[in-house]
Amino acid sequence: KNEVEQSPQNLTAQEGEFITINCSYSVGISALHWLQQHPGGGIVSLFMLSSGKKKHGRLIATINIQEKHSSLHITASHPRDSAVYICAAYQFSGYALNFGKGTSLLVTP
Amino acid sequence: NAGVTQTPKFQVLKTGQSMTLQCAQDMNHEYMSWYRQDPGMGLRLIHYSVGAGITDQGEVPNGYNVSRSTTEDFPLRLLSAAPSQTSVYFCASSSRDGSSYEQYFGPGTRLTVT
Repeated sequence: KNEVEQSPQNLTAQEGEFITINCSYSVGISALHWLQQHPGGGIVSLFMLSSGKKKHGRLIATINIQEKHSSLHITASHPRDSAVYICAAYQFSGYALNFGKGTSLLVTP
Repeated sequence: NAGVTQTPKFQVLKTGQSMTLQCAQDMNHEYMSWYRQDPGMGLRLIHYSVGAGITDQGEVPNGYNVSRSTTEDFPLRLLSAAPSQTSVYFCASSSRDGSSYEQYFGPGTRLTVT
């Protein structure tokens, strides 16, 4: 089983700060998913990436396949970014997902 | 498209009762799966299906049954509910996208077993 580790587990930031959430995994993968979950809410896919970098608005995700590491960055953070961010790694079989335990982010005004 | 829908949103069961959590998707996705989410544990795969008539076990299948008679529906059955099955259950569907499978999640069912 692919062990997926996220750090930090909890993160508090002030509005406007640049935020980084890290994800590392133990076994080579075909792709990595970043997901967002608001309190009491459903799970929304933010990014799926297998190499390089993707950007969507203020969110940027990068992945380094050789180092088995991915980062999610939030620029100019806002209180509405407060949520749990989850990374999930796909095995090469293409279907099985192993999830990290999530990073709980709180952005204060 | 409604995407992935789940019913009910909330359910309270007594130990030993049985019930079915419903999941449906209207995106014609081949793959569907059930996860449970528990505090401090992350999401864990219960059962999955790669197409109508084909199902397989995930990481934590005990106490649950599934079937996939149509592409759209993937119900999860709890045979005899136990307090350890108190959790939030998410259904997801996906379709091949290049070499990977982007997953779409339902809104979740919060289940309490007393």
